Amino acid sequence: SQQGEEDPQALSIQEGENATMNCSYKTSINNLQWYRQNSGRGLVHLILIRSNEREKHSGRLRVTLDTSKKSSSLLITASRAADTASYFCATEMEYGNKLVFGAGTILRVKS
Amino acid sequence: GAVVSQHPSRVICKSGTSVKIECRSLDFQATTMFWYRQFPKKSLMLMATSNEGSKATYEQGVEKDKFLINHASLTLSTLTVTSAHPEDSSFYICSARDRGGRGWGEKLFFGSGTQLSVL
Repeated sequence: SQQGEEDPQALSIQEGENATMNCSYKTSINNLQWYRQNSGRGLVHLILIRSNEREKHSGRLRVTLDTSKKSSSLLITASRAADTASYFCATEMEYGNKLVFGAGTILRVKS
Repeated sequence: GAVVSQHPSRVICKSGTSVKIECRSLDFQATTMFWYRQFPKKSLMLMATSNEGSKATYEQGVEKDKFLINHASLTLSTLTVTSAHPEDSSFYICSARDRGGRGWGEKLFFGSGTQLSVL
């Protein structure tokens, strides 16, 4: 079964607005990662946050991790039409090698 | 970053035939590769973990005789869908970790995926 659940399932915003996506998971993790997928393509790694970290930034991306609530959020600031894609969280569990992906959020940024 | 090449990008085949999908790490050695399956607008479902020089580890519910995985070298893993049926139609994606790269190989590098359509 999928480890991560994301919300919202779909998000539509205007260019320039911020987009926030949330991810929840069930078991202890080593790290949580966010990936982006353009339609019909492979996934691209965006950012990784380790279990002992609470917040991380990369350009217009900001990720938070709350291990007590087993949840993470991805914030994309000043969104652009080119940010339109599906975004997935993935967790690497504490004992294991594989990544398990959440259901994903489909983001549409309107210009 | 590391590059993973997946081929073919799209294949259409008749029911009952077998289809082979290749996944190559172009600029790094991948002792482990992962095969995922994805339905339209859905998440990635891990099918199996491919280990160089040994048998693949399949996830629960994935038929190993149906989805044959071979990881014969440090840069190549193949997934063969045997006796394909329409219900096998899906988007298949491979990925690998660059253990020799920066970041302790935690992140995955993905191939561009293969859209399989079985008629």
